[in-house]
Amino acid sequence: DQQVKQNSPSLSVQEGRISILNCDYTNSMFDYFLWYKKYPAEGPTFLISISSIKDKNEDGRFTVFLNKSAKHLSLHIVPSQPGDSAVYFCAASARSGGFKTIFGAGTRLFVKA
Amino acid sequence: EAGVVQSPRYKIIEKKQPVAFWCNPISGHNTLYWYLQNLGQGPELLIRYENEEAVDDSQLPKDRFSAERLKGVDSTLKIQPAELGDSAVYLCASSLGRSEQYFGPGTRLTVT
Repeated sequence: DQQVKQNSPSLSVQEGRISILNCDYTNSMFDYFLWYKKYPAEGPTFLISISSIKDKNEDGRFTVFLNKSAKHLSLHIVPSQPGDSAVYFCAASARSGGFKTIFGAGTRLFVKA
Repeated sequence: EAGVVQSPRYKIIEKKQPVAFWCNPISGHNTLYWYLQNLGQGPELLIRYENEEAVDDSQLPKDRFSAERLKGVDSTLKIQPAELGDSAVYLCASSLGRSEQYFGPGTRLTVT
């Protein structure tokens, strides 16, 4: 049972344009969401997070949007840069679940120069 | 500040052999995690420590996997005996409580 789903295995975007990565979840008890970025042969690196009491969090070129009614969150990267090419993991946790973090399968982003 | 350190980075063993992975978390991080990552999948939690206490080991296959975190600092994950299906990347991460997790580079295990 996949509680966190990233339905797009890959995404290709032109440099300078917006990248939108999507994530859906099924557990309504999730109250904290995170995005991680992973380069080959490295561990995931924390990118940005959002609490369920908010619907938007912004950090430079990265913005995460949360739609609790749709159980959907998205990561917007604008403008996209070639160095953003990586695998992006969506993750969620719930206080009621002992804060266990559940990761999605990841979306590989290609930013073309 | 040093990040999460893992060793070895790569390990190739024959099935039925034992193997051990070591992790040193970021200094001061009380929470330590071991994850398994299969190709094309996200990390899956094996065990989580709060200081030296294992607070979530529900996904750890206890018939062959064991872990310890002595003195609440570094940790070791062991597999004995290894099976072909154990081939994966084993990631260690640490955090301050529930905050974002900092991952090490992982150990890529190949069981032949």
